[in-house]
Amino acid sequence: AQSVSQHNHHVILSEAASLELGCNYSYGGTVNLFWYVQYPGQHLQLLLKYFSGDPLVKGIKGFEAEFIKSKFSFNLRKPSVQWSDTAEYFCAVITYGNNRLAFGKGNQVVVIP
Amino acid sequence: DGGITQSPKYLFRKEGQNVTLSCEQNLNHDAMYWYRQDPGQGLRLIYYSQIVNDFQKGDIAEGYSVSREKKESFPLTVTSAQKNPTAFYLCASSMVGNTIYFGEGSWLTVV
Repeated sequence: AQSVSQHNHHVILSEAASLELGCNYSYGGTVNLFWYVQYPGQHLQLLLKYFSGDPLVKGIKGFEAEFIKSKFSFNLRKPSVQWSDTAEYFCAVITYGNNRLAFGKGNQVVVIP
Repeated sequence: DGGITQSPKYLFRKEGQNVTLSCEQNLNHDAMYWYRQDPGQGLRLIYYSQIVNDFQKGDIAEGYSVSREKKESFPLTVTSAQKNPTAFYLCASSMVGNTIYFGEGSWLTVV
């Protein structure tokens, strides 16, 4: 079964700092990749996704992610964070022919005003 | 409104009791899922179903049961065999192979 790794579970940074969250997966075949966000007290929302095409994907709220197939990675970035980006971020992977969406353990991001 | 509805939002259970969490979707999605979310462990798949009357175990199915008698409904029963049931439970749905959408979750506490 595929696995998803997210490092640095807790990230604390100041407003206007840049954010990068790493995501690596273990499956060698074709994958669909996702980043979900969970704001405090809210349900999981889709931030962005990659199915095919341009490996640089832009999502909502200024987030982007880059799929690097050779590194089995799908890192999330935002050039300048805001206090409202405080949330937990989850990377997820689904493989072709298998509808099990596997999640990483999440990154708890706290942005200090 | 279209979406996924989970109920109840908060539930307390006595030890030894079975409880059932409801999940209904009106998105006409074929696939439905149940995940459990614990702090620092991300989301772990309990059961999923790709079609009516069929479902598969996920990574932590022990102590849980599901049914899929209707396309729009996928209830989860937390049985007394589940040793650590206190958690946040998330239901989700999707078209097969496509983006998965989540409900707002149900908090289960064993007292």
